[in-house]
Amino acid sequence: EVQLVESGGGLVQPGRSLRLSCAASGFTFDDYAMHWVRQVPGKGLEWVSGITWNSGTLGYADSAKGRFSISRNNAKNSLYLQMNSLRAEDTALYYCAKDAGSGGRSSTFDYWGQGTLVTVSA
Amino acid sequence: QSVLTQPPSASGTPGQRVTISCSGSSSNIGSNHVNWYQHLPGTAPKLLIYNDNQRPSGVPDRFSGSKSGTSASLAISGLQSEDEADYYCAAWDDSLNAPVVFGGGTKLTVL
Repeated sequence: EVQLVESGGGLVQPGRSLRLSCAASGFTFDDYAMHWVRQVPGKGLEWVSGITWNSGTLGYADSAKGRFSISRNNAKNSLYLQMNSLRAEDTALYYCAKDAGSGGRSSTFDYWGQGTLVTVSA
Repeated sequence: QSVLTQPPSASGTPGQRVTISCSGSSSNIGSNHVNWYQHLPGTAPKLLIYNDNQRPSGVPDRFSGSKSGTSASLAISGLQSEDEADYYCAAWDDSLNAPVVFGGGTKLTVL
């Protein structure tokens, strides 16, 4: 059974940093691209960033560019999102999502975690 | 403002057929596959339709997808109360540095 479990969320002050993690199991992690998608309370889904099976970055949302960094450790079956210079508008539920492929032109996310909540507030 | 445009809301009565539209451009829907996600509050989003019109294993055939040009649609027939959820379309976009785009979402209400 595929499982994606996010962690690392919490309350953080504006300007500070946070590192999200996603622990994957139930599939061959290093065969697939992975993504972070977020949902601001009361708003829709927003793609944040994605990474290919071999750590090629697929890009960042404009809102994340220059502040967030995606990475993965295939030996640990883990995905990460380093978030720096956090802003109030980064407050959201952050989901880890598995791509159905290894990193091509895909928006097919066949498994999602339950999300980890990040709250940016003084 | 989302790159893909969806109506904010839709509704229907049990047993009815409902369609949700998703409008894009030549750089996304016009040249790449469309996927649809169902999202119930407090749960993980679920892949409902992939590659325009394919259903993952376990998704009832009441759900169907179609695409024409730069627009796509999700149809739900035999509407059930448990279908009440938010629905999102998504596609790869060739022209953006952030290449995965979602629609703004459609809140489906079963009356």
